Amino acid sequence: NAGVIQTPRHKVTGKGQEATLWCEPISGHSAVFWYRQTIVQGLEFLTYFRNQAPIDDSGMPKERFSAQMPNQSHSTLKIQSTQPQDSAVYLCASSLDGGALDTQYFGPGTRLLVL
Amino acid sequence: GQQVQQSPASLVLQEGENAELQCNFSSTATQLQWFYQSPGGSLVSLLSNPSGTKHTGRLTSTTVTKERRSSLHISSSQTTDSGTYLCAIADYNQGKLIFGQGTKLSIKP
Repeated sequence: NAGVIQTPRHKVTGKGQEATLWCEPISGHSAVFWYRQTIVQGLEFLTYFRNQAPIDDSGMPKERFSAQMPNQSHSTLKIQSTQPQDSAVYLCASSLDGGALDTQYFGPGTRLLVL
Repeated sequence: GQQVQQSPASLVLQEGENAELQCNFSSTATQLQWFYQSPGGSLVSLLSNPSGTKHTGRLTSTTVTKERRSSLHISSSQTTDSGTYLCAIADYNQGKLIFGQGTKLSIKP
């Protein structure tokens, strides 16, 4: 049981460049969640999918951020024209079916630094 | 929106002492999870406890749903317990978790 896999673990980009973050959920889990963690804001919800369908993207910044789940085995979070304020640890979690009673299991995170 | 408040913000104890962490939330919660995060490390789920009392190892969580509060008790603390403890809730209609700011626990030898 490999747990939730996130790649890359660290990413450094220049201001204005694009960043794509990858998440592989636990096998058999149908829900994938994305969160962002900063020292100032703490852990914030971004978006989540259930059975590959987007369910709630209420935490996603309206511009430059997008997420997809093209198949059961991976999800991507893309940030276009990255800005220094996008620097954060981006965490992916998966759960069995995305219900409120489910336990969410987190990956190690991708630490994004925008210079 | 929902809010989660944790206290204390930080706690320093001697090894062997017990730790008591508090979590208060602003509206009903169908799910409540306690997580542990080591410095620079991943989030590890410790307990899911939406109501009542649950034990695992040296951890005991008590959640009183009507009073919108939960506690995490760590008995006989060890230096390896040092890190940040986060409380998170989800309500019935939403799978997403809302997190508190965490309690930073330091256990001195």
